[in-house]
Amino acid sequence: EPEVTQTPSHQVTQMGQEVILRCVPISNHLYFYWYRQILGQKVEFLVSFYNNEISEKSEIFDDQFSVERPDGSNFTLKIRSTKLEDSAMYFCASSGDRGRRNGYTFGSGTRLTVV
Amino acid sequence: GDSVTQMEGPVTLSEEAFLTINCTYTATGYPSLFWYVQYPGEGLQLLLKATKADDKGSNKGFEATYRKETTSFHLEKGSVQVSDSAVYFCALTLSGAGSYQLTFGKGTKLSVIP
Repeated sequence: EPEVTQTPSHQVTQMGQEVILRCVPISNHLYFYWYRQILGQKVEFLVSFYNNEISEKSEIFDDQFSVERPDGSNFTLKIRSTKLEDSAMYFCASSGDRGRRNGYTFGSGTRLTVV
Repeated sequence: GDSVTQMEGPVTLSEEAFLTINCTYTATGYPSLFWYVQYPGEGLQLLLKATKADDKGSNKGFEATYRKETTSFHLEKGSVQVSDSAVYFCALTLSGAGSYQLTFGKGTKLSVIP
């Protein structure tokens, strides 16, 4: 069964450093997403991406965040200057439609720890 | 805004017990409804879905019925197994143009003991 692959599985970074979280969505999917889950809290939407541009973003997704699809397979989330409160599990997802019929396929997540 | 409310966990059941995890939603449009499951150390997996009122989603012995009149999508299983131990998330996404995001509930942790 096709999978969404995320790397690394765990990243530790110092406050103020830049991090890039990487994802390989399912190859024939067109819609890509990032979500995050702070420990013990809800899974929260960050951003959706379609046709090489952001389709929708939440208020969490401020100027410190950016996304990119640098080639035909990768989808990345960059945090420019990490803060302690950015520590969370970050999930990448993809879908063939907008997810309303078949849901999304999620990766296993990257646990980001900011120290 | 749109929201999903799930029953608080954790829930601990003995093997072969009946499971219900309540989920209600608030949405301005006509949402599609989902249950996702997260096994320990893994990502979110789609468990079942329903895209319109009175639809019943089912998978792996789990069922949930889209009840528009009560704005609910409760998850049920007749006989749980130890392997069902996981965190279960109810979620919705709106139909129609404009929104692409899933809105999740807080999750309910289920532990099944032998």
